[in-house]
Amino acid sequence: SQQGEEDPQALSIQEGENATMNCSYKTSINNLQWYRQNSGRGLVHLILIRSNEREKHSGRLRVTLDTSKKSSSLLITASRAADTASYFCATVEGGSYIPTFGRGTSLIVHP
Amino acid sequence: NAGVTQTPKFRVLKTGQSMTLLCAQDMNHEYMYWYRQDPGMGLRLIHYSVGEGTTAKGEVPDGYNVSRLKKQNFLLGLESAAPSQTSVYFCASSSQGLNTGELFFGEGSRLTVL
Repeated sequence: SQQGEEDPQALSIQEGENATMNCSYKTSINNLQWYRQNSGRGLVHLILIRSNEREKHSGRLRVTLDTSKKSSSLLITASRAADTASYFCATVEGGSYIPTFGRGTSLIVHP
Repeated sequence: NAGVTQTPKFRVLKTGQSMTLLCAQDMNHEYMYWYRQDPGMGLRLIHYSVGEGTTAKGEVPDGYNVSRLKKQNFLLGLESAAPSQTSVYFCASSSQGLNTGELFFGEGSRLTVL
């Protein structure tokens, strides 16, 4: 069963705006990862945040993790048309080593 | 450095036919995974392997078999294809399974079962 659930399912914004996607999960985790998938391609890893971390940055990406609320958010700042893709969160439950993926958020950035 | 390579990229089968999807990685990763991706369902784990000679069932293993005879290869077999197995199949590998380790994905194999 899916552990993480992304919200919203779809997001449409203009270039230059910020995009925020959320992920909620059900059980305790070791880490949470965000992936990106361009249409017709494989998934590409973006960032990993461990359960004892609250925030991580990578370029224009900012990920937060709130283990008390069992949720994470991915913020893409100053979005570009090239950011158009689907974004997935994947969680690794405590004691496991198998990433479980959510259904994803489809992001469209209009030029 | 090719990363994770899946073959074939596209295949059309008739119900009841069998086939094998091949996944090869050149990163010396211990862990390998097969996922399927269906519209609105995200990725679901079919089978995985934590090392050469080992395999284990994932969330949706029925109708599939796997083998990991060599560390770099992970094969996914469909013994008797069914229309419900129409999907895009992704292979992934990682260097460390527990607690760390990003997954590296192949480009996918699109299978249609008529």
